[in-house]
Amino acid sequence: GAVVSQHPSRVICKSGTSVKIECRSLDFQATTMFWYRQFPKQSLMLMATSNEGSKATYEQGVEKDKFLINHASLTLSTLTVTSAHPEDSSFYICSAVLPWGGSLNSYEQYFGPGTRLTVT
Amino acid sequence: KNEVEQSPQNLTAQEGEFITINCSYSVGISALHWLQQHPGGGIVSLFMLSSGKKKHGRLIATINIQEKHSSLHITASHPRDSAVYICAVIRLGAQKLVFGQGTRLTINP
Repeated sequence: GAVVSQHPSRVICKSGTSVKIECRSLDFQATTMFWYRQFPKQSLMLMATSNEGSKATYEQGVEKDKFLINHASLTLSTLTVTSAHPEDSSFYICSAVLPWGGSLNSYEQYFGPGTRLTVT
Repeated sequence: KNEVEQSPQNLTAQEGEFITINCSYSVGISALHWLQQHPGGGIVSLFMLSSGKKKHGRLIATINIQEKHSSLHITASHPRDSAVYICAVIRLGAQKLVFGQGTRLTINP
């Protein structure tokens, strides 16, 4: 199956600093990528939809100035957590979309391995 | 009420047992995913279904579109199957996944 990588897998940063997380589709082009966050023992929460060449679409309650998303190429999307605070500590997961059956509404979604962010 | 409901929320079984995890949803969908998340956090897509049944190794997934219900079965369960299993649907006309709350499966040796 298709492979999606994330870098870094784990990061610890100090409060007030910014952290960039990369999501790459290694063997396919993804016009759409999704960014999720997950708190312990909870399900994934969609943060934003990243579309190549256009602005990301953020879910309600997600601050776009705090979580900057850039989808500069068909294989790379980045999430930057700006001025991180301890409450931003979470598991961040990206996924990349591979359209299936010719329909953008039915598609394979491949998940990255996740990035664990700890803000001290 | 959540649009996607899974049952049970937690399931503990002995090695070798046949496992069934259920997923019911209340919206029209174009497809349904079954995902597996291991304790390390990484998520693997097990199946994507829009009708019928799919089988991969010891895993079987079925979906009944009319009844808005899907099941994930694991035959001859093994401790390495211990993980959280998540049902997620794609609403008609949308691209985003809507997730169930997950089923935490523990298989004891």
